[in-house]
Amino acid sequence: GDSVTQMEGPVTLSEEAFLTINCTYTATGYPSLFWYVQYPGEGLQLLLKATKADDKGSNKGFEATYRKETTSFHLEKGSVQVSDSAVYFCALSLNAGGTSYGKLTFGQGTILTVHP
Amino acid sequence: DSGVTQTPKHLITATGQRVTLRCSPRSGDLSVYWYQQSLDQGLQFLIQYYNGEERAKGNILERFSAQQFPDLHSELNLSSLELGDSALYFCASSGPKRQGPYGYTFGSGTRLTVV
Repeated sequence: GDSVTQMEGPVTLSEEAFLTINCTYTATGYPSLFWYVQYPGEGLQLLLKATKADDKGSNKGFEATYRKETTSFHLEKGSVQVSDSAVYFCALSLNAGGTSYGKLTFGQGTILTVHP
Repeated sequence: DSGVTQTPKHLITATGQRVTLRCSPRSGDLSVYWYQQSLDQGLQFLIQYYNGEERAKGNILERFSAQQFPDLHSELNLSSLELGDSALYFCASSGPKRQGPYGYTFGSGTRLTVV
């Protein structure tokens, strides 16, 4: 079945360090890919997305490129801040038949802690 | 405010009881999805409704059921509750394909504690 694998965490960084969170996927079709972020005590917020190969999603300094050849969607940020401390989820969605989009399949989440 | 409203935010109940969680999707969205987030299982898809009809089913227990009403709000019913049902339950909504793949919008969740 479809699945998403994220790098094992947690990840602890100092402020202004470079961040990479690896994400690879397995899908029977041609998925759309997403990164969601969950801040403590809150729900999931869409961080960025990409819907086709070589697309780059970006938001708030975060970037991820849809790599079909390596089935990957790694999240990067050049300089993290304390406020980036959160749980990050990689997810995929297959475009279901008919008029609606399919469900999201999530990775296990990566806890990021950024120290001053 | 994401536009997806979930109520209640917190719920504490005893084993064996039945509860109903409610979700109002973002205006114009026809699909509603329910997810369960627990420490051991992570984020698990439960069920999807599209314009009132069940569209897909995931790892949803037989003790759980859901429906989507004509005004597009959805309810998730959990019965014969067990301690292991304690989790954060999220609702998400998305628009129809003709509106483009802009993604899904999540509510802030209902934290269910079974004691």
